[in-house]
Amino acid sequence: GESVGLHLPTLSVQEGDNSIINCAYSNSASDYFIWYKQESGKGPQFIIDIRSNMDKRQGQRVTVLLNKTVKHLSLQIAATQPGDSAVYFCAGLKLTFGGGTRVLVKP
Amino acid sequence: DTGVSQDPRHKITKRGQNVTFRCDPISEHNRLYWYRQTLGQGPEFLTYFQNEAQLEKSRLLSDRFSAERPKGSFSTLEIQRTEQGDSAMYLCASSSPLGIGEKLFFGSGTQLSVL
Repeated sequence: GESVGLHLPTLSVQEGDNSIINCAYSNSASDYFIWYKQESGKGPQFIIDIRSNMDKRQGQRVTVLLNKTVKHLSLQIAATQPGDSAVYFCAGLKLTFGGGTRVLVKP
Repeated sequence: DTGVSQDPRHKITKRGQNVTFRCDPISEHNRLYWYRQTLGQGPEFLTYFQNEAQLEKSRLLSDRFSAERPKGSFSTLEIQRTEQGDSAMYLCASSSPLGIGEKLFFGSGTQLSVL
């Protein structure tokens, strides 16, 4: 089966710095991954997705990197802002969510 | 606002009571999902519908839980004889998948507290 998991439960970052959130997956047959952001009191919100035929995909201030060799993906947030404070989840094709990483942005 | 509505936002009930939650998905979305989320954890899949057909149910969904989507639009999730362990956020999401993968649009959830 598919399982995904994040490496760190909490990431504290200075405002303006870049954030990197990591996620590992177990099923080498997974061909699609998606990142969600969840703010307090709200449901998860789509950020960006990537298919397994890609190594990198960029959005607005976010980049997802996929390393199929080590079954690892990461979400990079450029110039982190206070509004980026949230819990971030990765999920695979079966929409199985990992435990989440809480990003705390320090002013 | 994602366009997915859930009602109520909060529900407090006593153990043993029945509760029902409602989800109104984005109108053109044919898939509807229910997830459960406890504090500090990621959402756990419960069940999903393709139009009015319930296609998959998690082992987490005990026989006290039932979900319906009678006309392929809104859905209800009922929990009978609630237990304290049922206390969680119940999230609904909808999608209209094209090709590989799908983006879920989540509602804000119903927070259930069982006393």
